[in-house]
Amino acid sequence: NAGVTQTPKFRILKIGQSMTLQCAQDMNHNYMYWYRQDPGMGLKLIYYSVGAGITDKGEVPNGYNVSRSTTEDFPLRLELAAPSQTSVYFCASCLRWGGGNTIYFGEGSWLTVV
Amino acid sequence: ELKVEQNPLFLSMQEGKNYTIYCNYSTTSDRLYWYRQDPGKSLESLFVLLSNGAVKQEGRLMASLDTKARLSTLHITAAVHDLSATYFCAVFNAGGTSYGKLTFGQGTILTVHP
Repeated sequence: NAGVTQTPKFRILKIGQSMTLQCAQDMNHNYMYWYRQDPGMGLKLIYYSVGAGITDKGEVPNGYNVSRSTTEDFPLRLELAAPSQTSVYFCASCLRWGGGNTIYFGEGSWLTVV
Repeated sequence: ELKVEQNPLFLSMQEGKNYTIYCNYSTTSDRLYWYRQDPGKSLESLFVLLSNGAVKQEGRLMASLDTKARLSTLHITAAVHDLSATYFCAVFNAGGTSYGKLTFGQGTILTVHP
């Protein structure tokens, strides 16, 4: 049981490049989330999904896109990277009910845009 | 829109002292979480509170929930240095168009010194 797996762990992008952060969970969780955390700050919700085919914007969606074609995967796409997107990105997942009601977090992806 | 506010944002404590972190939220929820984060690490689940009056304790930490007041507290008893970390509360939105959204507070940076 791998939990929530995020890749890559570290990445340096140049301004204007695009990339996808991968997130996968093997616990059959309905709910999945992408957050960003700037240094010394809290977690801001980028996008979330309550099931396959359903996504919604969080507080800071500009510059990002997501898709949820399967229950397991919730990739986050950065288009035209900007220095303001330098941050640590966390993916999380949970069941609506049960499973101890725990939210599982990935280990984070450190992204630097130069 | 669900707002989650923690206070204090910074807390410097002496070892052996007691203190409380507060988490206020602005809308209906059926689930509140407390997390701990160490520098450079992902988030570690501490407590899940599901009902009004819920109280959970683990070691020197005790969390409670008052859904009528929309308030949760994290009480620290006889602080030790190992408790130094950032503590977050998070609220699960159980109603309206943002159903399933999980919003974090700003975090409380706790430093315990001799």
